[in-house]
Amino acid sequence: AQTVTQSQPEMSVQEAETVTLSCTYDTSESDYYLFWYKQPPSRQMILVIRQEAYKQQNATENRFSVNFQKAAKSFSLKISDSQLGDAAMYFCAPPQGGSEKLVFGKGTKLTVNP
Amino acid sequence: NAGVTQTPKFQVLKTGQSMTLQCAQDMNHNSMYWYRQDPGMGLRLIYYSASEGTTDKGEVPNGYNVSRLNKREFSLRLESAAPSQTSVYFCASSPEVNTGELFFGEGSRLTVL
Repeated sequence: AQTVTQSQPEMSVQEAETVTLSCTYDTSESDYYLFWYKQPPSRQMILVIRQEAYKQQNATENRFSVNFQKAAKSFSLKISDSQLGDAAMYFCAPPQGGSEKLVFGKGTKLTVNP
Repeated sequence: NAGVTQTPKFQVLKTGQSMTLQCAQDMNHNSMYWYRQDPGMGLRLIYYSASEGTTDKGEVPNGYNVSRLNKREFSLRLESAAPSQTSVYFCASSPEVNTGELFFGEGSRLTVL
């Protein structure tokens, strides 16, 4: 069975600082996509960033970037210049069964302190 | 842009009652999914439909049934609700199966007494 581990149930960061959320996973796929999703208190899940496993270059979306290490099956999310609006639950989602059935980690609750 | 619409947003049931959660997407996506979210458990896949006319079980399908009514609509039915099914349910859709990117509805909070 696919496993996803987010080892940090909670994290906190000062506004304007940088924080890194970790995720490790296990998959037998060689070509796949990985995702980080954000769930603010409003509850709606929002895609933060996507990484294609066959690309060696790490994905970046504005203040969000990933550190993808395929051999180590590690997929961490770095948030730079943290803002109060970044406070949310963050879920790592690597693929399972050919990317049709995304498996989610249990999430990391991020608090941003002013 | 409506995106993914779920109804109802809140529901309280008594044990043994039945109900259907409705989901519709207006993005012409092929794949649709139902997840449940419980505290400390993340999101767990109940059922999914890779394309119109097909449905498959996910991680936690017991106690649920689904219907892919057409390309737009994917419903989740609880035939005999149990307190263990108290959860927040999310419907999601995906434009391309192989990329796996999901677009979520706002969620439906279900309480079974």
